[in-house]
Amino acid sequence: GAVVSQHPSRVICKSGTSVKIECRSLDFQATTMFWYRQFPKQSLMLMATSNEGSKATYEQGVEKDKFLINHASLTLSTLTVTSAHPEDSSFYICSAWSGDRISWEQYFGPGTRLTVT
Amino acid sequence: AQKVTQAQTEISVVEKEDVTLDCVYETRDTTYYLFWYKQPPSGELVFLIRRNSFDEQNEISGRYSWNFQKSTSSFNFTITASQVVDSAVYFCALSGETSGSRLTFGEGTQLTVNP
Repeated sequence: GAVVSQHPSRVICKSGTSVKIECRSLDFQATTMFWYRQFPKQSLMLMATSNEGSKATYEQGVEKDKFLINHASLTLSTLTVTSAHPEDSSFYICSAWSGDRISWEQYFGPGTRLTVT
Repeated sequence: AQKVTQAQTEISVVEKEDVTLDCVYETRDTTYYLFWYKQPPSGELVFLIRRNSFDEQNEISGRYSWNFQKSTSSFNFTITASQVVDSAVYFCALSGETSGSRLTFGEGTQLTVNP
């Protein structure tokens, strides 16, 4: 199956700093990439949808200025958590969709565990 | 709006028991897709199955089977002869023609298989 990578897999940062997470589709071009956040023992919550070359669409309640998403190419999307605080500590997962309107299948990255101290 | 309900928060079984994970969904779309994912402790989601709304045939893959019933809006997942390695969180998810590729996830069911 298609492969999606995320980097870094784990990151610890100090409160007030910014952290960038990369999501790459390795063997296909991703029309759309999605960013999810998952708190412990909870489900995945969609944060935003990004399409290559256009602005991301954020879900209600997600701060656009805090979670900056850049989908600069068909294989790379980045999520930057700006001025991170301990409550931003979470598991961030990206997924990529190739535009296949038959299977509508998303391919998920392995996730990035962010800890803000 | 779409909604997926997994009423079972946690299930604990003994190895070799059969276990069924329930999934009930709500959608106004005529065309939609249902998915099951496994999330082991490592966190990486593992795709298990996709089913479209026009295909109500049950599916079996090894020890896994799925029962899709549109009449009850359910897409249940059964593991036969469970094994310790099946211990994970299982998510049911839904996408529809109006949501495109956006997925709506259920709350997940934590399955623990004890030796």
